[in-house]
Amino acid sequence: GQQLNQSPQSMFIQEGEDVSMNCTSSSIFNTWLWYKQDPGEGPVLLIALYKAGELTSNGRLTAQFGITRKDSFLNISASIPSDVGIYFCAGRDISGTYKYIFGTGTRLKVLA
Amino acid sequence: NAGVTQTPKFRVLKTGQSMTLLCAQDMNHEYMYWYRQDPGMGLRLIHYSVGEGTTAKGEVPDGYNVSRLKKQNFLLGLESAAPSQTSVYFCASSPDRAGYTFGSGTRLTVV
Repeated sequence: GQQLNQSPQSMFIQEGEDVSMNCTSSSIFNTWLWYKQDPGEGPVLLIALYKAGELTSNGRLTAQFGITRKDSFLNISASIPSDVGIYFCAGRDISGTYKYIFGTGTRLKVLA
Repeated sequence: NAGVTQTPKFRVLKTGQSMTLLCAQDMNHEYMYWYRQDPGMGLRLIHYSVGEGTTAKGEVPDGYNVSRLKKQNFLLGLESAAPSQTSVYFCASSPDRAGYTFGSGTRLTVV
């Protein structure tokens, strides 16, 4: 089935550093979502993007809908220990379906 | 608080046993979904529903059945559990365009 390539798979960073991760697709998407999952919990929506080039922030998080409509990026500035978790991208293609495809996740660990 | 509630949170089954996972949402969302999450595989769609009385197959439907008799509830059934169905199961709901709201998951182990 259709898949999203999400990278990196995992990363260890020092507290205070900035973080970048991305997702790419083989098809054009009309919506990109970014979720965070804490241990033992379900994913929680962080940012939703609905048009190419859109740049949206949520506190220290900023996400962008790629111009090609085949990719999206998430940046976290000045990371803190509570940023630890798994970050998922999800996308919906232009066929009009309401179903989202999820990336395999980026596992983030922050070293104090 | 409004949201998606999943029961049970944990369950251990023997191979061949059956069980039903319940998902309830109080946000009046039309769409509901069941996903399974396995290490390194991300979230994979099992079944989904676009409204009361409707269900459809997702990416990995084999071995599962679902029912949506009421708009707020979406049930996932395992008729004859297999070790390959050991996973964490997430239910989600959504209005049309917006993103999903997920439940907190059910951790199922089949021995």
